[in-house]
Amino acid sequence: KAGVTQTPRYLIKTRGQQVTLSCSPISGHRSVSWYQQTPGQGLQFLFEYFSETQRNKGNFPGRFSGRQFSNSRSEMNVSTLELGDSALYLCASSSPQGQAGAFFGQGTRLTVV
Amino acid sequence: AQSVTQPDIHITVSEGASLELRCNYSYGATPYLFWYVQSPGQGLQLLLKYFSGDTLVQGIKGFEAEFKRSQSSFNLRKPSVHWSDAAEYFCAVGGTGGGNKLTFGTGTQLKVEL
Repeated sequence: KAGVTQTPRYLIKTRGQQVTLSCSPISGHRSVSWYQQTPGQGLQFLFEYFSETQRNKGNFPGRFSGRQFSNSRSEMNVSTLELGDSALYLCASSSPQGQAGAFFGQGTRLTVV
Repeated sequence: AQSVTQPDIHITVSEGASLELRCNYSYGATPYLFWYVQSPGQGLQLLLKYFSGDTLVQGIKGFEAEFKRSQSSFNLRKPSVHWSDAAEYFCAVGGTGGGNKLTFGTGTQLKVEL
C-alpha cells in the first residue's frame, strides 16, 4: 500500500508570492491533516479535511487555506508569503476517527526569500 | 485545551543501554496517545499508539510505552538502544471526539553514543 505522497519536496518562493502544496493520502483514508513544523514553534496543526469538508482548524491566519477533492487528495495554499512561513509542511492521512494514528508524508520544505 | 509536555529536550545514551523518554499530557477526557519518530529532513513515523485497553502498548522497532492515567503520562521505553535509534521523538495527543487534530510535544532529540 502506497504511503502519503507530498509534492513538491522542496520549494523556494519570494516574499509576497503564493504557493500550493499537494498531498495524496493513503488509499482508503478520507481524513487529511496539515501541519507546519518550524524550529521555533515545533509542530503546529493547520487544518483537517474529511469528505471534502474542513473539520478542524488551527490558529493560523486566513492566508493559509486548504481544500480536499472527491478522491481525498488535498491541497494547501498560502497566499502573500512571509519570511516566517518558511517551514516543513507535513500532511497526514488517517482513518475517520483517528484510532489507528496519523500517517505522515515526507513533507514539503518551503523556503521564502 | 489539550497539551503535551516533553521535559527532556536532549538525551544521550550509550548503545545497548536502556531508554525512557518522558511525556505528560493534559486532556479533559480519555485521550488517544501516540509516539512518533523523525529522522532529519524526513516526515514522522508512527511508533505506537494507545486509545484503550491494555495500558502497556508495544510498537515497532522494539519500543513500548505505558499509559498511566493517574500521572497523565505516556512514557516511551526501549530496553536496548541501537545507534540507528538516534532521531527526534515526539509524543502527541489526539481527541476522542472525532477528528484527527494532534497536539505534539516539543520533541526529544536522542543521541546514541557508540
